[in-house]
Amino acid sequence: GQQLNQSPQSMFIQEGEDVSMNCTSSSIFNTWLWYKQDPGEGPVLLIALYKAGELTSNGRLTAQFGITRKDSFLNISASIPSDVGIYFCAGPVNFGNEKLTFGTGTRLTIIP
Amino acid sequence: GAVVSQHPSRVICKSGTSVKIECRSLDFQATTMFWYRQFPKKSLMLMATSNEGSKATYEQGVEKDKFLINHASLTLSTLTVTSAHPEDSSFYICSARDASGTYNEQFFGPGTRLTVL
Repeated sequence: GQQLNQSPQSMFIQEGEDVSMNCTSSSIFNTWLWYKQDPGEGPVLLIALYKAGELTSNGRLTAQFGITRKDSFLNISASIPSDVGIYFCAGPVNFGNEKLTFGTGTRLTIIP
Repeated sequence: GAVVSQHPSRVICKSGTSVKIECRSLDFQATTMFWYRQFPKKSLMLMATSNEGSKATYEQGVEKDKFLINHASLTLSTLTVTSAHPEDSSFYICSARDASGTYNEQFFGPGTRLTVL
């Protein structure tokens, strides 16, 4: 099946810094979803992307659907303590399939 | 909108007992719900797809007799872990797709932490 690899695996940054993470696939996706998971909670949808090249923002978060349709990027500007958590990318298993496959995750830690 | 709840949030049970976990879409109708399992520091692994009024579809390697799924209404799906054993201890998360919403967006419940002694 399709695998989504995220990098970096973990990040340690200071409050106020900008964050950039990405998600790559060996095959083409027609949808990219970015979720954030807090400890002991379910994932929360941050941004959904539906078109190659699309750039979408949600407050301090910006995500892009890669032109090759095999990658996506998530940027967080001016990080704050509540940004701590695990960020997952996700996409449909197959075109037109409701099932999602999730990336390996990027764990974000903010150093005081 | 798009709120999904799970009950219980945490359960501890003895080996050999069965545990039922409920997943509800509170403010929308969900024709399809999904059940995931997550081990510590790992990603979400899809266990099964639950469709209202029909049998669930299980992913490869997931025992359907072990993990019973019932989707009796457009707002409720249940996962029953039968004859639970310590290796079934995990974080179980459900998600629901809004029947009126965008095709691939799923909304997740807060998860249920199962510990089998």
